[in-house]
Amino acid sequence: GDSVTQMEGPVTLSEEAFLTINCTYTATGYPSLFWYVQYPGEGLQLLLKATKADDKGSNKGFEATYRKETTSFHLEKGSVQVSDSAVYFCALREYGNKLVFGAGTILRVKS
Amino acid sequence: DVKVTQSSRYLVKRTGEKVFLECVQDMDHENMFWYRQDPGLGLRLIYFSYDVKMKEKGDIPEGYSVSREKKERFSLILESASTNQTSMYLCASSLSGTNTEAFFGQGTRLTVV
Repeated sequence: GDSVTQMEGPVTLSEEAFLTINCTYTATGYPSLFWYVQYPGEGLQLLLKATKADDKGSNKGFEATYRKETTSFHLEKGSVQVSDSAVYFCALREYGNKLVFGAGTILRVKS
Repeated sequence: DVKVTQSSRYLVKRTGEKVFLECVQDMDHENMFWYRQDPGLGLRLIYFSYDVKMKEKGDIPEGYSVSREKKERFSLILESASTNQTSMYLCASSLSGTNTEAFFGQGTRLTVV
């Protein structure tokens, strides 16, 4: 079945450092890909998405590009802030509408 | 704003009790989901509903059942709670379609003692 694999955390960075969180997926068809973020004590919220190959999703300085050839959707940000500390989830959705998540990556940003 | 409301933020129940977790959405979404969130395991799908009275099992349905009698409400039922069901439970809803965003509730932290 469909699955999503994320890099293990926690990832600890200093403020203004470059962030990459790796995400790869396995799917039978052509899924849409998502990054969700969960701030402490809150539910998940959509960060960005891409619906077809080579699409780039972006929001709040975060970016991810849908790479069909490597089945990847890595999350990047050029300069992280303390307020970016959260748990980040990669997810996919395809035929049947089920939404499948990775294990999540904890990001800690130190000032 | 879309709102997904879960009936309780925290619940403590005894082993063997029947437990109901309620979720209500206000955006006329066709799809609703129940997930369980555990450290290191991410979100695992328990059940998915794509319309009223329609449901599909997710990855970990054992020990759970669901009910969707009205479009806006999706209930998760633990028939006989056990300590290994202690977890964070998240409800979500979305429109149909593979590229649509899911909206999440705040979660219910269930402890079974």
